Amino acid sequence: QSALTQPASVSGSPGQSITISCTGTSSDVGGYNYVSWYQHHPGKAPKLMIYDVSNRPSGVSDRFSGSKSGNTASLTISGLQAEDEADYYCSSYTSSSSLVFGGGTKLTVL
Amino acid sequence: QVQLQESGPGLVKPSQTLSLTCTVSGGSISSSGYYWSWIRQHPGKGLEWIGYIYYSGSTYYNPSLKSRVTISVDTSKNQFSLKLSSVTAADTAVYYCARDSLGYGDYYLWGQGTPVTVSS
Repeated sequence: QSALTQPASVSGSPGQSITISCTGTSSDVGGYNYVSWYQHHPGKAPKLMIYDVSNRPSGVSDRFSGSKSGNTASLTISGLQAEDEADYYCSSYTSSSSLVFGGGTKLTVL
Repeated sequence: QVQLQESGPGLVKPSQTLSLTCTVSGGSISSSGYYWSWIRQHPGKGLEWIGYIYYSGSTYYNPSLKSRVTISVDTSKNQFSLKLSSVTAADTAVYYCARDSLGYGDYYLWGQGTPVTVSS
């Protein structure tokens, strides 16, 4: 299975908003409302930020939001803060009863 | 609270079988509804889903790794394991164990990860 497509990097200044896209196919992103987003700081375990396209786990800031249109899901971070700088990964359930991750996006807070 | 901890050799020779164990503490691996998973990250690359085992024993694998992967559970030890056969340098990665609540990629709980290098 092919990895979901994410931009390699995005950047923004503190206080700004950024959006990270995650593009798949009708066999994964487009076919199911089971897209998750993870924040990953190097050397640490990934942290679940969004599940089921747009749901936030308890304790995750409401500055993080998710959406989906067709075969593309998006993660938006508003009011950027320095601690948001990390790698972000999307994942999706697939028609093969498996999961697939995106290639990851490095977020730089300028 | 439930915690996960990976363990196993940090160095494996090419063509051999990579074996890792994830110990579950603070809760029972037999708890219904959870999918016990393995995920890896190649150096400088993204995450790759390897597969998971449902608490009942059903397994689901990444189609690209399916021929080489076995995930199993040992309820007596509260552990689950990964075996990856015929390894090559391309299997060098940090390996994470994780718990999925419903099998759709909701990984709230992760181990810290263990690095594995494939080299002679």
